[in-house]
Amino acid sequence: EAQVTQNPRYLITVTGKKLTVTCSQNMNHEYMSWYRQDPGLGLRQIYYSMNVEVTDKGDVPEGYKVSRKEKRNFPLILESPSPNQTSLYFCASRPFFGQALVETQYFGPGTRLLVL
Amino acid sequence: DAKTTQPNSMESNEEEPVHLPCNHSTISGTDYIHWYRQLPSQGPEYVIHGLTSNVNNRMASLAIAEDRKSSTLILHRATLRDAAVYYCIQYSGAGSYQLTFGKGTKLSVIP
Repeated sequence: EAQVTQNPRYLITVTGKKLTVTCSQNMNHEYMSWYRQDPGLGLRQIYYSMNVEVTDKGDVPEGYKVSRKEKRNFPLILESPSPNQTSLYFCASRPFFGQALVETQYFGPGTRLLVL
Repeated sequence: DAKTTQPNSMESNEEEPVHLPCNHSTISGTDYIHWYRQLPSQGPEYVIHGLTSNVNNRMASLAIAEDRKSSTLILHRATLRDAAVYYCIQYSGAGSYQLTFGKGTKLSVIP
């Protein structure tokens, strides 16, 4: 089954304690991205990657890091989490090369993060 | 910023058709219209997309106006499972190639 998986699904942590949210896809997609979703603000892109070792900032990258060492994985790293990073996070993937305007984007189930 | 305009919320009775409107007045000739929906406590999922002509798939139909400045997502028979936030996205593929989500339309289905 084609899917994007995220772990953990729920996480409570404290300010300053480094954490990593993993994301993996089994569809051999080139493009992967991270979004955060906050009430009243909708989905905003944090970082994206067009292929292995190619990453770039989205609209709200401050306080986050990513890496893309393998095609299937795109972890989101919070080096020093703060309460304003409390949010619902979604990983997404889709094919990039070829008909990039029509390809479907697949989303993971979400990770709900609470930073105390 | 999202380039589309949608009503904040709509209601429908179960088993009746639903027409969800979207305005995209700044659309260019090569921009696609994509629709996604987000069920409660889930990630967004693809519904349908189109460029100029009307499109149908197993989930819905997409009617695009002749001037392409608006479109309508049609759910032919709403079920309780269709209660979700529906996002209309004008996609040009420029910049970060991201799909920019607006606030969407929250659809409530009444049994």
